[in-house]
Amino acid sequence: DAMVIQNPRYQVTQFGKPVTLSCSQTLNHNVMYWYQQKSSQAPKLLFHYYDKDFNNEADTPDNFQSRRPNTSFCFLDIRSPGLGDAAMYLCATSTKSGVYTAFFGQGTRLTVV
Amino acid sequence: AQSVTQLGSHVSVSEGALVLLRCNYSSSVPPYLFWYVQYPNQGLQLLLKYTTGATLVKGINGFEAEFKKSETSFHLTKPSAHMSDAAEYFCAVTNTGNQFYFGTGTSLTVIP
Repeated sequence: DAMVIQNPRYQVTQFGKPVTLSCSQTLNHNVMYWYQQKSSQAPKLLFHYYDKDFNNEADTPDNFQSRRPNTSFCFLDIRSPGLGDAAMYLCATSTKSGVYTAFFGQGTRLTVV
Repeated sequence: AQSVTQLGSHVSVSEGALVLLRCNYSSSVPPYLFWYVQYPNQGLQLLLKYTTGATLVKGINGFEAEFKKSETSFHLTKPSAHMSDAAEYFCAVTNTGNQFYFGTGTSLTVIP
């Protein structure tokens, strides 16, 4: 089945140690998103790609970066994770043509120790 | 600017009772509206969506929602709650497909 896959599902990292989360999709969608979701809160958009065009939200910390080497893959890099960065990170995709719908992966739960 | 407001961060219903989760939106142009469900430590799963046409939208698991432009509402209902419906529910809006704006979520508890 076509889907959005996030790896790993659970990630433990040390305070200040760079970490990368990955997302892949088989939907061939041209838009990919990264959301941060803290406990009992709504998902918060960090940035999105429309094809190769990167769109950063104004309040996304510089500590968060992203790469999209091709249509299928997108990475979230946290350069120096702090305790406040512990959260669920959600990847989603959508298409700019037809009916817009965001399809989500299962998420990566990041713990910072 | 677009936004959604979900009234009631926690809703409890008895098994078999009506489920009503409220969502009001703000959009300067005709919106696309969505309801998503999230189970613990899972991603968001699409329940249903409104784009154009029929204002009563049916989704998965027996849920439906009605788009009411005059009330700027898109409330989610289910006639009879099941234990498996216990989850977090998010309303979302977009009009460009570039950004999806989510409400703060409603946690549904189903009491046996």
